[in-house]
Amino acid sequence: KQEVTQIPAALSVPEGENLVLNCSFTDSAIYNLQWFRQDPGKGLTSLLLIQSSQREQTSGRLNASLDKSSGRSTLYIAASQPGDSATYLCAVKNNNDMRFGAGTRLTVKP
Amino acid sequence: KAGVTQTPRYLIKTRGQQVTLSCSPISGHRSVSWYQQTPGQGLQFLFEYFSETQRNKGNFPGRFSGRQFSNSRSEMNVSTLELGDSALYLCASSLRTSGGRSYNEQFFGPGTRLTVL
Repeated sequence: KQEVTQIPAALSVPEGENLVLNCSFTDSAIYNLQWFRQDPGKGLTSLLLIQSSQREQTSGRLNASLDKSSGRSTLYIAASQPGDSATYLCAVKNNNDMRFGAGTRLTVKP
Repeated sequence: KAGVTQTPRYLIKTRGQQVTLSCSPISGHRSVSWYQQTPGQGLQFLFEYFSETQRNKGNFPGRFSGRQFSNSRSEMNVSTLELGDSALYLCASSLRTSGGRSYNEQFFGPGTRLTVL
């Protein structure tokens, strides 16, 4: 059974800092891995999708990497801003469903 | 292009009642998935529909059911509501390959907040 873990559970950084969020999964037989952000009480906003054959994806200040063999993905956020404050979730898609981590709650202080 | 829409946004029901939630996917998207989000269990997969057929199902009791229409719109129904069904219900849509595997990016709606009293 696929299990997805995100570390840390919460993170607080000053504005302008670069940061890394971690996601690990137990079953490497995945189709893709997707990073989302969720603002309080809202739905999920897709940030990056990495297919199983890819190693990384970039969008603006965000860079996500995928190492299937070790069951790990990282989300790198450059030059963080207060508007980046949200919960970040990773999700892995396999044959039958999509499994989510519990998320990392990020606070960027002005 | 309009995003995924869900109705209603908020719902209050009492134990034992039933509820129907609706999801309209992004135009051209044929796959619709449903998720339940609670503070204790996080985000959990309910089921996925494609071409009006349920393709995958999560580990939820039979009180949770769904369907998909020919225009790809989907509904989910929860019968005999329990207090523990209080949650944010999220719908996501994606393209789907002809092979039936969902490799594509999922786009989520704003969710329906269900409160069971």
